[in-house]
Amino acid sequence: GENVEQHPSTLSVQEGDSAVIKCTYSDSASNYFPWYKQELGKRPQLIIDIRSNVGEKKDQRIAVTLNKTAKHFSLHITETQPEDSAVYFCAAKAGQAGTALIFGKGTTLSVSS
Amino acid sequence: GAVVSQHPSRVICKSGTSVKIECRSLDFQATTMFWYRQFPKQSLMLMATSNEGSKATYEQGVEKDKFLINHASLTLSTLTVTSAHPEDSSFYICSANGPSSYEQYFGPGTRLTVT
Repeated sequence: GENVEQHPSTLSVQEGDSAVIKCTYSDSASNYFPWYKQELGKRPQLIIDIRSNVGEKKDQRIAVTLNKTAKHFSLHITETQPEDSAVYFCAAKAGQAGTALIFGKGTTLSVSS
Repeated sequence: GAVVSQHPSRVICKSGTSVKIECRSLDFQATTMFWYRQFPKQSLMLMATSNEGSKATYEQGVEKDKFLINHASLTLSTLTVTSAHPEDSSFYICSANGPSSYEQYFGPGTRLTVT
């Protein structure tokens, strides 16, 4: 089955700096790669996703890149703000409806002002 | 957008009792729903895949006789934790695929505390 590795587990940056979180996956059939932000005690919130037919996607300060050959994808947050502080999870799945998302272990991002 | 609800949001039960958690897709039909468990400061771990009208598929290490899953309709899946013990205390989250097969929509989660 799918296995998703995520690094780093914790990341501390200064406000305004960039943050990068990296994930690798094992199943070459995976073709959907979302990123979630989770507040304590709440459900995961989708912040950006990418499908395997593109290599990069951007939404304002957030971007995701995908390298299918190397089986890794990354989240890039530019101009970080204190409100970006949260736990971030990457996930992967094959795009069939009956397939579940498999999550990485998470990254705790702290943005200090 | 697709909305998934869960009930209850919090439950406290005594050791040895059973607890039922409901997961509903409110504005779409979900032939497949997924149950995850999240311990403090850990990731979401897939417990089982719930298929409407058929038996659930459990992940390795998850006891199917302890975590009973029923998916009797296209909008409702239930997870029953039987003979709960303190180590079952966790955050349980369900999800379902939306109209496209890619994005997964999550319920708000249920905080289970077993005393």
